[in-house]
Amino acid sequence: EADIYQTPRYLVIGTGKKITLECSQTMGHDKMYWYQQDPGMELHLIHYSYGVNSTEKGDLSSESTVSRIRTEHFPLTLESARPSHTSQYLCASQRDGGLGTDTQYFGPGTRLTVL
Amino acid sequence: AQSVAQPEDQVNVAEGNPLTVKCTYSVSGNPYLFWYVQYPNRGLQFLLKYITGDNLVKGSYGFEAEFNKSQTSFHLKKPSALVSDSALYFCAVRDGTNAGKSTFGDGTTLTVKP
Repeated sequence: EADIYQTPRYLVIGTGKKITLECSQTMGHDKMYWYQQDPGMELHLIHYSYGVNSTEKGDLSSESTVSRIRTEHFPLTLESARPSHTSQYLCASQRDGGLGTDTQYFGPGTRLTVL
Repeated sequence: AQSVAQPEDQVNVAEGNPLTVKCTYSVSGNPYLFWYVQYPNRGLQFLLKYITGDNLVKGSYGFEAEFNKSQTSFHLKKPSALVSDSALYFCAVRDGTNAGKSTFGDGTTLTVKP
């Protein structure tokens, strides 16, 4: 069972608010990812990190930012939430290298609604 | 509970030959099926999906997949492989009646040799 956690699970917030979505994993994985997913649809990569102090933007343009100060923690921040940010945000982690260790482990997700 | 199986950890093909990456699934209700690719030093990238309609789905980079309900399969195919197709491929399923999270397979490493 994967040990990757996201908080909050659900968030309803007004336009213009600053929010931080938390993600932590206790598996010591170097690789971590943030995906955005509309209900029933595909994932889109918005940020990823391959280790401490390493962050990159993904394929989907996003106004969010991330940080990776500790291996286990990969928070995502929206400085000013807008209704277009309404979606589900999934955090994932992955061990670095080796056959059979490439599985991505997903957190339960944060369902964000911006009014 | 839903599940996905990718029976092959590795698939090796020669450039120019057709490739198949296998995926079978188990889900209650109508399945939503997805294929993703992960290139080195990147996150998952969406390739294609089956939600409803034609069983043959065409996606990015010349890939396609065929939904087979009786065999509960959704194999990824490409008529002519390129060396640049070498990557890790993930199949995923979710129950069409459930807006919860997808279940991913363990991944298949595709190596295309020149």
